[in-house]
Amino acid sequence: AQSVSQHNHHVILSEAASLELGCNYSYGGTVNLFWYVQYPGQHLQLLLKYFSGDPLVKGIKGFEAEFIKSKFSFNLRKPSVQWSDTAEYFCAVNTGNQFYFGTGTSLTVIP
Amino acid sequence: DTAVSQTPKYLVTQMGNDKSIKCEQNLGHDTMYWYKQDSKKFLKIMFSYNNKELIINETVPNRFSPKSPDKAHLNLHINSLELGDSAVYFCASALGGARTGELFFGEGSRLTVL
Repeated sequence: AQSVSQHNHHVILSEAASLELGCNYSYGGTVNLFWYVQYPGQHLQLLLKYFSGDPLVKGIKGFEAEFIKSKFSFNLRKPSVQWSDTAEYFCAVNTGNQFYFGTGTSLTVIP
Repeated sequence: DTAVSQTPKYLVTQMGNDKSIKCEQNLGHDTMYWYKQDSKKFLKIMFSYNNKELIINETVPNRFSPKSPDKAHLNLHINSLELGDSAVYFCASALGGARTGELFFGEGSRLTVL
């Protein structure tokens, strides 16, 4: 079965610190990759996506992610986090009609 | 206009009751999904329909019954509610097939079973 692993369950950072959240997946075929964000009490919103082309993708709010095919990874990064980035972050993999989500990473940014 | 809309946003009910959650998307997508998010924020796929046909049916108690009257609507009916059904239920849609693209989520329906 396909799986998506997010290694960091809880991350606490001070404002202006750099962020990197890990995501690995197990699927040998062609995949589409996503990072979603869920702010407290809200629904999931798309941060960024990778379908093909440049493996470094930029999303909203200064986030970026790098697809490394050989490592089956799609890590999320942000050079300088803000208090408003406090949220739950989900990595997701899409193959055909199926979407597989990681267990999520809770990010808390301390002012 | 909200792309994926769910009603109601909140349900509070007693054990043993039956409840329904409705979902509508105005994006012209072919595929719709129901996800359950538990208190630990874990997202579990429950069902998926493509053009009114069931394509994904994960291990979900048969008290849960989805219905898709047309490709823009996917409703979820739950019979004989149990305490463990308390969660946030998210509806989502995507283009479907080889063009699936990204998932668009509704705002969620928070179900509390007392």
